[in-house]
Amino acid sequence: EVRLVESGGGLVQPGGSLRLSCAASEFTFSSYAMGWVRQAPGRGLEWVSCISAGGTSTYYADSVKGRFIISRDNSKNTLFLQMNSLRAEDTALYYCAKGIRRYAQTPLDYWGQGTLVTVSS
Amino acid sequence: NFMLTQPHSVSESPGKTITLSCTRSSGNIANNYVQWYQQRPGSSPTTVIYEDNERPAGVPDRFSGSIDSSSNSASLTISGLRTEDEADYYCQSYDTANHAVFGGGTKLTVL
Repeated sequence: EVRLVESGGGLVQPGGSLRLSCAASEFTFSSYAMGWVRQAPGRGLEWVSCISAGGTSTYYADSVKGRFIISRDNSKNTLFLQMNSLRAEDTALYYCAKGIRRYAQTPLDYWGQGTLVTVSS
Repeated sequence: NFMLTQPHSVSESPGKTITLSCTRSSGNIANNYVQWYQQRPGSSPTTVIYEDNERPAGVPDRFSGSIDSSSNSASLTISGLRTEDEADYYCQSYDTANHAVFGGGTKLTVL
């Protein structure tokens, strides 16, 4: 069974940085696109970013572009999200999700349990 | 860019059939695939429909998806409703910049 385990969330002050990780197992990580989706408390799902299987194509929501960087290490089966210049509105549960194909914008078929990011002073 | 609009909440009785709608504000709904995600209370989302009408392995055939160009909308139909189907359902598609767009979600109550 596909397993996605996020880590790296926590409490950070506005303007600060965090790096989220997503450890993947039980599938050929390097063959699938991956993405991050967040959910603010009591709110709906919001797409954040995605990356192709080889890491060459990346896309970002306008709300995070220029502040967040998605990357992956296929040798370590790990997805990352570097989050800089954090704002209160970035407070959310961040889910890592697996795509069904190689290209970046592909439907998602498995989701992790999420890691909570709280931006507050 | 466009928006995907979903009714805030719906309810139906066990055993019945319900159809959830997802209306695209601009551009043709058929131009980009639509996915549907189920999120039970306190749980992560799961995928119930991808690419308009495909079911992932393990999703029962009580779940089906369709699109209607005349109303520019996508639909998720759940037949033989069970209490375990009670959840939030989100539709999702893509825009021309390859950005994913989520609908606001529909809370389904089965009572």
